[in-house]
Amino acid sequence: RKEVEQDPGPFNVPEGATVAFNCTYSNSASQSFFWYRQDCRKEPKLLMSVYSSGNEDGRFTAQLNRASQYISLLIRDSKLSDSATYLCVVNVDGSNYKLTFGKGTLLTVNP
Amino acid sequence: DVKVTQSSRYLVKRTGEKVFLECVQDMDHENMFWYRQDPGLGLRLIYFSYDVKMKEKGDIPEGYSVSREKKERFSLILESASTNQTSMYLCASSLTGWREKLFFGSGTQLSVL
Repeated sequence: RKEVEQDPGPFNVPEGATVAFNCTYSNSASQSFFWYRQDCRKEPKLLMSVYSSGNEDGRFTAQLNRASQYISLLIRDSKLSDSATYLCVVNVDGSNYKLTFGKGTLLTVNP
Repeated sequence: DVKVTQSSRYLVKRTGEKVFLECVQDMDHENMFWYRQDPGLGLRLIYFSYDVKMKEKGDIPEGYSVSREKKERFSLILESASTNQTSMYLCASSLTGWREKLFFGSGTQLSVL
């Protein structure tokens, strides 16, 4: 299993749709999980951290499944402005500093 | 808001040149990182530093070195640039602790001819 693996995408959805991304990680000792968003030709920015109990921020819900070693991101009521690449980030070796990024999933929300 | 500034947005160098990429952050962050981003490969960690004069290798340190003489500044050095080092280079910083978020600079697109 690759260290951090994401759905390959691309995802093309209409406005208002619900879309979900999954990300698997290889090391069961990983403790730190994030979703970042990267707009075209821009730097990545933190979208949300992922906590053990799951967490929600407006239209975005992140969940962690330790047993199956994956995290997910659910976007409800998609907006045109949600179009971006979504990056899964994990501290795969349990270190305090080294975060490993997935290759990203491209989402395009169409009018 | 935190600002991470990279010295150049675009840079063109020749094979064999010594290249310096500079990064400065203004929020007194302990940790600083250099990543490169390539199509199909995602972001890969080159080096990081968790304190002044301290550095640790990331996943792909070969061909690179770093310098952190001051807390706010983290430099990436390509000792002898090669064409396979053509890439987008992203600097990031964070407060100490692994739950602190990374703040990225806007990146330097380096082309080595």
